[in-house]
Amino acid sequence: QITLKESGPTLVKPTETLTLTCTVSGFSVSTSGSAVGWVRQPPGKALEWLALIYWDDTQRYRPSLQSRVTITRDASKNQVVLTMTSMDLVDTGTYSCASQRTGDGYFDLWGRGTLVTVSS
Amino acid sequence: SYVLTQPPSVSVTPGKTARISCGGNNIENQRVHWYQHKSGQAPVLVIYHNTDRPSGIPGRFSGSHSGNTATLTITRVEGGDEADYYCQVWDTGGDHVVFGGGTKLTVL
Repeated sequence: QITLKESGPTLVKPTETLTLTCTVSGFSVSTSGSAVGWVRQPPGKALEWLALIYWDDTQRYRPSLQSRVTITRDASKNQVVLTMTSMDLVDTGTYSCASQRTGDGYFDLWGRGTLVTVSS
Repeated sequence: SYVLTQPPSVSVTPGKTARISCGGNNIENQRVHWYQHKSGQAPVLVIYHNTDRPSGIPGRFSGSHSGNTATLTITRVEGGDEADYYCQVWDTGGDHVVFGGGTKLTVL
């Protein structure tokens, strides 16, 4: 059974840096052709893609957030980490990781997400 | 950058057919994927590559696309189909993921 589980702080202050970890089970993030991405959903709003990392560490970012977001892969722990700097109130939302096991453009499996609130 | 446009809401009575549209420039040249997202749950892929259904997704779900519009069709709608539905493509021009704004399906 393949699962993805997000972990990290539930509350961050404005200007702080957010670090979230996606732990993948049942599937190797080093599988050739695969990718893992992060998607967020502000309260009451639509899904918003943030970043994607491929098995070979190629990265792709949402253009409007590229200066603030970094995605990395830890093959030894089978994890993918998202870092977002300069957090703001508008960054409040549920952050989810999702896999592209074939790297073919769609997310075939998702984690349940973790709610991150930005507040002073 | 590529933009996908969905109607905010669609309503349907049980047993009828729901059609959710996703508009994009020459979307017929894109591979369109669809997700079902119920409140408090992880999104679920229901259609990939325009028309393919993942294992476990009922045959009541189907996808199509032509011109500037892709459509997710759900036949014999059930109460359990009530959810937000999102279309998604890979923007080859910008090399990134694009989601539509989502459509809330209400089963009356």
